[in-house]
Amino acid sequence: KNEVEQSPQNLTAQEGEFITINCSYSVGISALHWLQQHPGGGIVSLFMLSSGKKKHGRLIATINIQEKHSSLHITASHPRDSAVYICAARANFGNEKLTFGTGTRLTIIP
Amino acid sequence: DTGVSQDPRHKITKRGQNVTFRCDPISEHNRLYWYRQTLGQGPEFLTYFQNEAQLEKSRLLSDRFSAERPKGSFSTLEIQRTEQGDSAMYLCASSFTSGNTIYFGEGSWLTVV
Repeated sequence: KNEVEQSPQNLTAQEGEFITINCSYSVGISALHWLQQHPGGGIVSLFMLSSGKKKHGRLIATINIQEKHSSLHITASHPRDSAVYICAARANFGNEKLTFGTGTRLTIIP
Repeated sequence: DTGVSQDPRHKITKRGQNVTFRCDPISEHNRLYWYRQTLGQGPEFLTYFQNEAQLEKSRLLSDRFSAERPKGSFSTLEIQRTEQGDSAMYLCASSFTSGNTIYFGEGSWLTVV
């Protein structure tokens, strides 16, 4: 069992739909990152959170530390949101490495 | 500063050859990370630096791999005697301090034939 698991692995939705991607982790963490990766490799950091909820534009990220679960939501999805979304957990302070999930491939159909 | 830059973006090499990748982090970022990503998988941690000090190395980093950050600015990742299993994308990232947003480069794709 991976330390960081995401679901679903693949998600196809119509433009405008509300999207939810889930991330569960099994280790204690100090922070959780949500990242976006487009074809070709470039990774963009969307959120870093250690508690509660953050919002940026149409993107919302939440985390529940007790349940070791985080979600990324996209409202009013658009074809340009099509990408791979990856969550990555940073272990407790003193350990800098990020442990990544395998990603969720999101495709938004016009 | 335009972000984390990596060079070369793509490299095809014959098995047994040595390759070197360079990463230029965002200016003044004191932390620099190397990750490796294979197709369909999330990135895996290789090593990280705080300034010029290499503070952690993954067991994935065999003796054929070496990373340096001599002046605490750019970093190089060298792979000696490449093997086909080394084919992957090598990602560099940097951050200002622990707990801050991490910025990734575009990655360097390695194909070993």
